[in-house]
Amino acid sequence: QKEVEQNSGPLSVPEGAIASLNCTYSDRGSQSFFWYRQYSGKSPELIMSIYSNGDKEDGRFTAQLNKASQYVSLLIRDSQPSDSATYLCAVNSGNTPLVFGKGTRLSVIA
Amino acid sequence: DAGITQSPRHKVTETGTPVTLRCHQTENHRYMYWYRQDPGHGLRLIHYSYGVKDTDKGEVSDGYSVSRSKTEDFLLTLESATSSQTSVYFCAISESAGAHSNYGYTFGSGTRLTVV
Repeated sequence: QKEVEQNSGPLSVPEGAIASLNCTYSDRGSQSFFWYRQYSGKSPELIMSIYSNGDKEDGRFTAQLNKASQYVSLLIRDSQPSDSATYLCAVNSGNTPLVFGKGTRLSVIA
Repeated sequence: DAGITQSPRHKVTETGTPVTLRCHQTENHRYMYWYRQDPGHGLRLIHYSYGVKDTDKGEVSDGYSVSRSKTEDFLLTLESATSSQTSVYFCAISESAGAHSNYGYTFGSGTRLTVV
């Protein structure tokens, strides 16, 4: 069974700091990786996707992928209280539905 | 949410009754999915569809059935609701299920179902 693991948190960081969220996956054939943000009581929304080893930056967000280590991470620079949410890692292997991790709860303290 | 709506938003039903949740999209996307989300379990796939009348089971499909008679609608039916099916149900759509899809999924707003 394909698994996606995340630390459930909560991860607490002060405002303005870098938040680092981590995800590991079991299927070495996985090819597409996604980060979703979910506010309490709301639906998940896509914030980043990454397919190749290395870093991908979008504004304050950077996704990092290391396929050899089966590891994907999300860095949030200059964290804001509005970034407080649960972050879900999702992994795709070919033509199969996304498998989601259980999410990491992030709390940014003002 | 980007042309995807779920109904109802909230429902309370009694054990043993059938319940149908509806997902409607206006994006003409081929792929549609039903997930449930529970504390400690994250998002778990119930069923998905890769075209009209083409569906397949996910990891937690027992007690659920689906139908997709047209591109825009994907129905989830709880054949005889049980308390263990109390959950938040999310529908999602995707333009492509391929390995290098640039789109990920777009989620509906969810249906909070309580079985008493």
